[in-house]
Amino acid sequence: AQRVTQPEKLLSVFKGAPVELKCNYSYSGSPELFWYVQYSRQRLQLLLRHISRESIKGFTADLNKGETSFHLKKPFAQEEDSAMYYCALLRGSGGSNYKLTFGKGTLLTVNP
Amino acid sequence: DAMVIQNPRYQVTQFGKPVTLSCSQTLNHNVMYWYQQKSSQAPKLLFHYYDKDFNNEADTPDNFQSRRPNTSFCFLDIRSPGLGDAAMYLCATTSGTGTYNEQFFGPGTRLTVL
Repeated sequence: AQRVTQPEKLLSVFKGAPVELKCNYSYSGSPELFWYVQYSRQRLQLLLRHISRESIKGFTADLNKGETSFHLKKPFAQEEDSAMYYCALLRGSGGSNYKLTFGKGTLLTVNP
Repeated sequence: DAMVIQNPRYQVTQFGKPVTLSCSQTLNHNVMYWYQQKSSQAPKLLFHYYDKDFNNEADTPDNFQSRRPNTSFCFLDIRSPGLGDAAMYLCATTSGTGTYNEQFFGPGTRLTVL
């Protein structure tokens, strides 16, 4: 069965410190993973996806198939990064059947 | 310029009294999803539509139904809400064409069951 685990419910760092939000997954197929973010009083939105290999707002995430991980990293956290972060795994195939399995989320607080 | 709209934002109902939540989209996306999110839990997919084709998740209770009368609108019907159905309900859409594209979420409807 597909599963996404975010071991940290809460993560607190100081501004300028590095931050890493952990995500582990279990999936029998070839995984496709995403990070979604929800800022205070805003809707859930896509932050980045592993196939794009891009850096968004200074965040990067590398898929490690050996460790079944997709950790989100940023070298220097900013106060505006404070939000709830969800790791998500794509399941299904074909345009009619794409579905996401979400982790429980990590609430990141960046202190001044 | 809201793309996925959910009404109402807050809904209070009584135990056992049917309730309908609404979602509309201006993106002309083929796929619409309904998620249930309880406090400190992951969003959990209830079902989704690809055009008019309904896809139910295996563990979605029969108490939850959905309708999609046209591309723009999708409704979540809870036939007999129980206290355990109190949650945030999220609607999301995706284009559904070609490779997977991101899901766009609405702001959610928070359901309270008295």
